[in-house]
Amino acid sequence: RKEVEQDPGPFNVPEGATVAFNCTYSNSASQSFFWYRQDCRKEPKLLMSVYSSGNEDGRFTAQLNRASQYISLLIRDSKLSDSATYLCVVIASGSARQLTFGSGTQLTVLP
Amino acid sequence: NAGVMQNPRHLVRRRGQEARLRCSPMKGHSHVYWYRQLPEEGLKFMVYLQKENIIDESGMPKERFSAEFPKEGPSILRIQQVVRGDSAAYFCASSPPPAIGIRGEQYFGPGTRLTVT
Repeated sequence: RKEVEQDPGPFNVPEGATVAFNCTYSNSASQSFFWYRQDCRKEPKLLMSVYSSGNEDGRFTAQLNRASQYISLLIRDSKLSDSATYLCVVIASGSARQLTFGSGTQLTVLP
Repeated sequence: NAGVMQNPRHLVRRRGQEARLRCSPMKGHSHVYWYRQLPEEGLKFMVYLQKENIIDESGMPKERFSAEFPKEGPSILRIQQVVRGDSAAYFCASSPPPAIGIRGEQYFGPGTRLTVT
């Protein structure tokens, strides 16, 4: 079983749509959680950290369910510029801070 | 405030040559990480360094690969006797000390695309 699993997609949605991505992680001791985005295999860019209470940044909402070891990202009112690969990322406890990446979910927002 | 710098951005090496990839962390960051992304695959951790110290090299291949982060100058990822399978994008990331970056956010450089012919 992969440490971090994501639906690879692709997700093709029209502009303005709401889209949700899910992610599960296998290490119950994982301590930090993030969403990154990667455009055309350029460098990953931090989108947002994910907090236990859930958090929102503009059109983006992240949720964490520690009991189910599940992380989600919701994008509202999607824009063309949101087209990218979204990476679910975890730091496992005791891993000396290395990031463990999911394989990514590809999103294309269509005009 | 410059971000993470990597050079070269593209590197072509023939089989058997050496590849040296350089990374300068963001200002104020003392921790450097190297990740590799093989074609059509996800990013995989290789090594975590602080100045003059390797903290975790559990993701490094056992042979031909080494990394350093000297007291002065950039971090270097060195690949000796490259093979075609080493062709990949190599990303460097940096983070502030744990007391500041308590959640462990890392910021990535633009990467070095290594092609082995």
